[in-house]
Amino acid sequence: QVQQQQWGAGLLKPSETLSLTCDVYGGSLTGFFQTWIRQSPGRGLEWLGEIDQSGSISYNPALKSRVTMSADTSKNQFSMKLKSLTAADTGVYYCARGSDYYMEVWGKGTTVTVSS
Amino acid sequence: QSILTQPPSVSAAPGQKVSIPCSGTSSTIGNNYVSWYQQVPGTAPKLLIYDDNKRPSGIGDRFSASKSGTSATLDITGLQTGDEADYYCETWDSSLSARVFGGGTYLTVL
Repeated sequence: QVQQQQWGAGLLKPSETLSLTCDVYGGSLTGFFQTWIRQSPGRGLEWLGEIDQSGSISYNPALKSRVTMSADTSKNQFSMKLKSLTAADTGVYYCARGSDYYMEVWGKGTTVTVSS
Repeated sequence: QSILTQPPSVSAAPGQKVSIPCSGTSSTIGNNYVSWYQQVPGTAPKLLIYDDNKRPSGIGDRFSASKSGTSATLDITGLQTGDEADYYCETWDSSLSARVFGGGTYLTVL
């Protein structure tokens, strides 16, 4: 059964860059979409972007200038960076695997707090 | 305010049926597949329904969904206390070029 374990720093200061990585176990990155989502009380669930089966990357237009995603098939992991953090970026960040129409396997989430 | 509209909460008694609506537009539900997720507080969302009305393996037939025009509905029958959770609809927004979620509906099983 495919599992995803995500990791990265959880406490950051304003203007810093968030870096998160998701390791995929029990399955391959190949053939699936790799997606990042975040959740906060103020904005609910928010799609940040995804890498499709061909390696093409789509970003949420609202965050496009600040977010970067990548995948390393040799390590079976994918990553996300979000720069120029503000308090509004505080929330729980999830990685997920699925298709272009749904997200089937989710990581457990990483709580990110942006505070000076 | 979410692109997809859901009621903040619904409630029903154990054993009963509940329906959770999700309203969108032609740019969202009207022309794209809908997925539904269940989220127990403190845990990650879990896929319940994909491609409008299909269940992943391991999801029981108490959960079903439908779509008509620009609205979708999740039905849960034979309610159990373990069904208490937030439920989210999700689809692609062709105008925004982004996946979008509903605001979530918390189900209380009284």
